[in-house]
Amino acid sequence: AIQMTQSPSSLSASVGDRVTITCRASQGIRTDLGWFQQKPGKAPKLLIYGASSLQSGVPSRFSGSGSGTDFTLTISSLQPEDFATYYCLQDYNYPLTFGGGTKVEIK
Amino acid sequence: EVQLVESGGGLVQPGGSLRLSCSASGFTFSSDPMHWVRQAPGKGLEYVSAISSNGGSTYYADSVKGRFTISRDNSKNTLYLQMSSLRGEDTAVYYCVKRLAAVDDYWGQGTMVTVSS
Repeated sequence: AIQMTQSPSSLSASVGDRVTITCRASQGIRTDLGWFQQKPGKAPKLLIYGASSLQSGVPSRFSGSGSGTDFTLTISSLQPEDFATYYCLQDYNYPLTFGGGTKVEIK
Repeated sequence: EVQLVESGGGLVQPGGSLRLSCSASGFTFSSDPMHWVRQAPGKGLEYVSAISSNGGSTYYADSVKGRFTISRDNSKNTLYLQMSSLRGEDTAVYYCVKRLAAVDDYWGQGTMVTVSS
């Protein structure tokens, strides 16, 4: 199975900060990568699919980039509602695999 | 409106079995691949299984292969996960997901499975 290594596992940031989360695949996955946001007690929400396509309804401060093995989720200006845990997922081949998650906390 | 409602979770002893169901509505169920994803308490997301739209292809994480069976009944708009030989590490919230990581990705609210004596 493809391993997805996500970093950092947690970070502290302030409202208005630019935040970057990375995900590295153990082998090339083209652009078959999604990013999810999860808040406590809630189901995950898809933010980005195809590495860089913004899901409908998701604010434009979220963006994704990368291809092959290295991917990035960027939040351009962190808002109070963005404090959550973020996960990447490769959907290049089965079994699909998630990264370990990044918890974004308030500084 | 798309709805996915999981059921069948609960407390089961180690070595036991349980069948989860996911009732779907608001979309053409028979057109979409479906997935199960789980999350142990305080842990990250773990991919469990997938099934193609017609049920002809199934996929499993190594951690559940040989113990879990995914199936679907397109006439009843229902997805299933038959779980057997359950272990403590299978304790988790199990989510049913439509078209995972695609433009029309949709998640149910989850059902809790607890494996404990």
